[in-house]
Parts: sequence; C-alpha cells; structure tokens
Amino acid sequence: GAVVSQHPSRVICKSGTSVKIECRSLDFQATTMFWYRQFPKQSLMLMATSNEGSKATYEQGVEKDKFLINHASLTLSTLTVTSAHPEDSSFYICSAGLGVLGQGIYGYTFGSGTRLTVV
Amino acid sequence: DAKTTQPPSMDCAEGRAANLPCNHSTISGNEYVYWYRQIHSQGPQYIIHGLKNNETNEMASLIITEDRKSSTLILPHATLRDTAVYYCIVLNSGGSNYKLTFGKGTLLTVNP
Repeated sequence: GAVVSQHPSRVICKSGTSVKIECRSLDFQATTMFWYRQFPKQSLMLMATSNEGSKATYEQGVEKDKFLINHASLTLSTLTVTSAHPEDSSFYICSAGLGVLGQGIYGYTFGSGTRLTVV
Repeated sequence: DAKTTQPPSMDCAEGRAANLPCNHSTISGNEYVYWYRQIHSQGPQYIIHGLKNNETNEMASLIITEDRKSSTLILPHATLRDTAVYYCIVLNSGGSNYKLTFGKGTLLTVNP
C-alpha cells in the first residue's frame, strides 16, 4: 500500500517552455505532499511543502513563481517548472506524508522521480 | 533539528552483513530515527524507523544505543541490489519538525 505514482519519468524540453510533473497517490489520500530536487551527486533538497487545498510553503531560496505547486485534491499534486532554463535540469521527486500535518505524520512514501533536461 | 553524521562510503561483500553507523548526539526525546535508501536514479525507499527500542523488519534491523546518541542499520545478508545511498534522518513527525531533510548519506557498495 501507500504508493505514489510520478509522471513523467523523463522529460526533455526547450529553454523557455514550461513542464508539468504529476504525482498521484494511488491507494491513500495524501494530505501533505513534499517536493524535492536533486542535482547530480548531491542529496535531495526540499523545495516546498503542500497541503491539500492550501498554498504551498516554499523553502528559502526557492522561487514560488517559477515552481508552481498545485495540490487541489487529496490524490493529486503537480509541480510546474515555468520558463525552464538549463540550470533547472535536475531530478525532481515528490513525497507524500502518511498521516495529517499537525496531528502526526507517521511515514513518507516517495515517487520514482522525474529527470528533467532543459536544452 | 537534530543533525546526523554518517560515513560517506562503505563497502561490503555480498552475503555478509552490512552495518551502517549513524551519529545523532543532539537527538531529543521525542525524535525518531528513520532510515531510507536511494538506489541510483530512483526515489528514496523507506527501510525502518525507531524511537528507543531496537527494531527489525523484513529488510533490516535497527539498533539504537541506550543513550540514543547513535544507531546502526544492519542489512543481515547484503546483495548486489542493496548497493545504494543510505540516509539516516532524525525526525519529530508529530511536531513542528515534520520535514524529512536529507543529509549526504552513506554510499554502500556491495561487492561480488
């Protein structure tokens, strides 16, 4: 149980275009979703936290107007990289918190990641 | 946030036990120790977590010292597929520190 499906697994886009990444919780309701970015040979960096029906909370240094997060339902969260540039090329990973924020999150399950290449 | 310290890399022979250490000397009483691993170009995979007592599941065992300042993840019979980066994370999932923050982890290489 507790599977998160992330699509696409790979995407190549032209500089200046936008790319949407989807994460769906398949057999549970994800109240809280986390989005990470990982550059080659580095660890995962938390970008933002989103709660269903609320605006996302972004980590320091992450541009909220560039990385648009939508979490309109309990089973779907999306990350849109707007006006992508080559420096946005990275591995993007979503994670769903199991539980309810503020009441206790008892686990985290991750998507399989999206490799974004901006040319 | 409690910080963790892990060796950057370790090697293990296939079929032998892999013991991965983690120091978390500033851990507070309500913080759990979580272990995740990331195989190359995949999302992290949950392994195990614990508070005070030792824990075991089908993947691994977690040994937490009595003072809770360090822990060891044990993979009892390592296989080549266990080659991955292993992350030790301290987290108070019921409180304000609910964000899973990743350090650099330990790259475990299982050799044939």
